[in-house]
Amino acid sequence: DAGVTQSPTHLIKTRGQHVTLRCSPISGHKSVSWYQQVLGQGPQFIFQYYEKEERGRGNFPDRFSARQFPNYSSELNVNALLLGDSALYLCASSLAQGQPQHFGDGTRLSIL
Amino acid sequence: GDSVTQMEGPVTLSEEAFLTINCTYTATGYPSLFWYVQYPGEGLQLLLKATKADDKGSNKGFEATYRKETTSFHLEKGSVQVSDSAVYFCALSETFGNEKLTFGTGTRLTIIP
Repeated sequence: DAGVTQSPTHLIKTRGQHVTLRCSPISGHKSVSWYQQVLGQGPQFIFQYYEKEERGRGNFPDRFSARQFPNYSSELNVNALLLGDSALYLCASSLAQGQPQHFGDGTRLSIL
Repeated sequence: GDSVTQMEGPVTLSEEAFLTINCTYTATGYPSLFWYVQYPGEGLQLLLKATKADDKGSNKGFEATYRKETTSFHLEKGSVQVSDSAVYFCALSETFGNEKLTFGTGTRLTIIP
């Protein structure tokens, strides 16, 4: 079975641009969460969506937004990119609330 | 707010040595506790979990026991292998309507033959 898939794997942007990252959860999983992992740190929670509704939001500015589609895939959008947005962005899916989360390999975003 | 504190790395051990990676937490409720492992260039893999006090999670020779009295969830393995080299993250999740995982900063483990 396919795991959580994220695209693209790597991305280079410049300051001020916007970016869209995509995530396909494991088949049958209805919950998707996004995390930001800065080099040398643990992942930081950005958003969680369950059944297409936002269930949680971390301490990130409004430049960060996300949505979940009817097929449970998800997009993370970041506007007005800053140098500090350079990080590995991880997507995780789970079958339902309270079930273990399974992570994708992430999208490495570099801001020049 | 919730927080997780891990022992600082990096940790370097010889093959077949005993491993302990300390983890303590602060939470307002009764969280579930997790250990995740991250191999180079990859995402996180769930290693083991415990959902209530005194539960012991175990997988691939690794163990951790949920100690409510000391708010700890230390990771142990009796005999490490070179293939265990990775970054290990302790994490907690409170069940307050969302699945937010709060992670520690990670401990890089290197096993030398």
